[in-house]
Amino acid sequence: GQQVMQIPQYQHVQEGEDFTTYCNSSTTLSNIQWYKQRPGGHPVFLIQLVKSGEVKKQKRLTFQFGEAKKNSSLHITATQTTDVGTYFCAGRISNFGNEKLTFGTGTRLTIIP
Amino acid sequence: ETGVTQTPRHLVMGMTNKKSLKCEQHLGHNAMYWYKQSAKKPLELMFVYNFKEQTENNSVPSRFSPECPNSSHLFLHLHTLQPEDSALYLCASSQVGEQFFGPGTRLTVL
Repeated sequence: GQQVMQIPQYQHVQEGEDFTTYCNSSTTLSNIQWYKQRPGGHPVFLIQLVKSGEVKKQKRLTFQFGEAKKNSSLHITATQTTDVGTYFCAGRISNFGNEKLTFGTGTRLTIIP
Repeated sequence: ETGVTQTPRHLVMGMTNKKSLKCEQHLGHNAMYWYKQSAKKPLELMFVYNFKEQTENNSVPSRFSPECPNSSHLFLHLHTLQPEDSALYLCASSQVGEQFFGPGTRLTVL
């Protein structure tokens, strides 16, 4: 079936270090979304990428969509304790006019103060 | 954030009980979703409703029965659940693009 995988599954970083999570799809995506879920919370939308090779920034967060629209990455510069949580990508796959959003496996980020 | 609300927030039930989860969205969206989130698996899409019509059922066991009386309300009726059904059940809504999630119901099946 159509899958969206993320690596790594877990990441522990010292506060101030950078962090990157990678998202890979077995199928070409119409667009990709990123969500953040804080511990004990629910997923909250961060951003959507649509165009091949697109790069978007939100303060310390940089999001990229691959040229082939099959992969994406989220990079956080100089992590802070508020960055703790699980980051999910969600790829939108079109199948005979029917669009489906498939969530990735998530990367859980913990920060060591 | 109060755009999508879910009740109850926590539920403990036995395998022979019947209970219902409720979701309400105040955003005027036309699509609503049920997801299951457990410790060992990513977000699993269960059901999708568009304009009150069910458009997707991801091979969910019949012990889970959704109901969407209008575009603002979504229910998940539960009966004869198994312990492995214990999880966080998340409701979400969308119009175009991003999904807005509710706080979830933490379900424990004994």
